[in-house]
Amino acid sequence: KQEVTQIPAALSVPEGENLVLNCSFTDSAIYNLQWFRQDPGKGLTSLLLIQSSQREQTSGRLNASLDKSSGRSTLYIAASQPGDSATYLCAVRVGVGSGGSNYKLTFGKGTLLTVNP
Amino acid sequence: GAGVSQSPRYKVAKRGQDVALRCDPISGHVSLFWYQQALGQGPEFLTYFQNEAQLDKSGLPSDRFFAERPEGSVSTLKIQRTQQEDSAVYLCASRWRRDVNEQFFGPGTRLTVL
Repeated sequence: KQEVTQIPAALSVPEGENLVLNCSFTDSAIYNLQWFRQDPGKGLTSLLLIQSSQREQTSGRLNASLDKSSGRSTLYIAASQPGDSATYLCAVRVGVGSGGSNYKLTFGKGTLLTVNP
Repeated sequence: GAGVSQSPRYKVAKRGQDVALRCDPISGHVSLFWYQQALGQGPEFLTYFQNEAQLDKSGLPSDRFFAERPEGSVSTLKIQRTQQEDSAVYLCASRWRRDVNEQFFGPGTRLTVL
């Protein structure tokens, strides 16, 4: 059974700092990995999606890397801002195929990020 | 529509009551997912529809949970005889078609069972 772990569970940094969030998964046979942001009382917003054949994806101040063989991904946030404060979730899609279970996402518990002004 | 919508946003139920949670996916999206997110946890998969067909319900925690999508668009998640452990945020997500990667999530319904 695929398990996703995120470290740290919570992180508090001053504004302007660069930071790294970590995600690990037990089964390397993934199809893709996504990083989401969740604000209190709101749904999930997709930040970056990395296909299993890719090594990294970038969007603005965000960079996500994937090392499929070691079962790890990192989300790098540059020059953090108070508006980045949220819970960041990592999720893996377990495979590809016609079976329904191949399309579900398996999530970690998230990292609660607080950026202090 | 502009995004996935869910209603109600908040629901308080007395233990033993039945509840129905609604999801309106993005228009034209074929795939629809339900997830359950307990406090302090990540979302956990409940069930998956492709059009009106429920292809995977392996995540439903008990036979008190039932989901349907009769016309392949709006979906309803029904929980019978609610228990305190059912308290969670229930998230719905939709995807355009099965070979497209990105799932778009709704704001969720926060269910509190007293």
